[in-house]
Amino acid sequence: SAVISQKPSRDICQRGTSLTIQCQVDSQVTMMFWYRQQPGQSLTLIATANQGSEATYESGFVIDKFPISRPNLTFSTLTVSNMSPEDSSIYLCSAKEGTTNEKLFFGSGTQLSVL
Amino acid sequence: LAKTTQPISMDSYEGQEVNITCSHNNIATNDYITWYQQFPSQGPRFIIQGYKTKVTNEVASLFIPADRKSSTLSLPRVSLSDTAVYYCLVGDMKAGNNRKLIWGLGTSLAVNP
Repeated sequence: SAVISQKPSRDICQRGTSLTIQCQVDSQVTMMFWYRQQPGQSLTLIATANQGSEATYESGFVIDKFPISRPNLTFSTLTVSNMSPEDSSIYLCSAKEGTTNEKLFFGSGTQLSVL
Repeated sequence: LAKTTQPISMDSYEGQEVNITCSHNNIATNDYITWYQQFPSQGPRFIIQGYKTKVTNEVASLFIPADRKSSTLSLPRVSLSDTAVYYCLVGDMKAGNNRKLIWGLGTSLAVNP
């Protein structure tokens, strides 16, 4: 089973600034994803991080606001840009191994508070 | 897109068996049923997955009737540490695309001493 390390685990940021969240997987994975989870709410997929190409964003999320990198098969970053209090949330990195294994693995999340 | 419906919350006591039922009336032929567990301040953790009939692993059992329009996660002899939110997901992950997976609010299970 893949183990995902995500950092920072939490941060408090000022509005207008940006925060980059790092996600490291201990093995090569075919797919990596970024989710957002508002307090007490469910998970919402932000984007699929594609290795070597631009991420695939879901409706309501754009690259200028949430730029994503995935330089190799074990690492990805999500940047939350020009933050506002509405961006306060938990951001989760997720990965999937192979094309036949349906399990999703998750990091512990980054709890972001924007003042 | 297959949506799921599950109870918002459940209460139980240590040592009891807990059954959480999920409805997914518009499940598609290629869809699998997957359950995740989430503790506070942690990401979800895979529990069990099935396509039809019954699946059992070291932590839970999953019962799926023939019409596959519902499923039941069974947790045998729960303990306090099983207090968590349990999510039922329906979708086809084999294609490598989880964009069609819809995460509902899950079932918040409280296990009491």
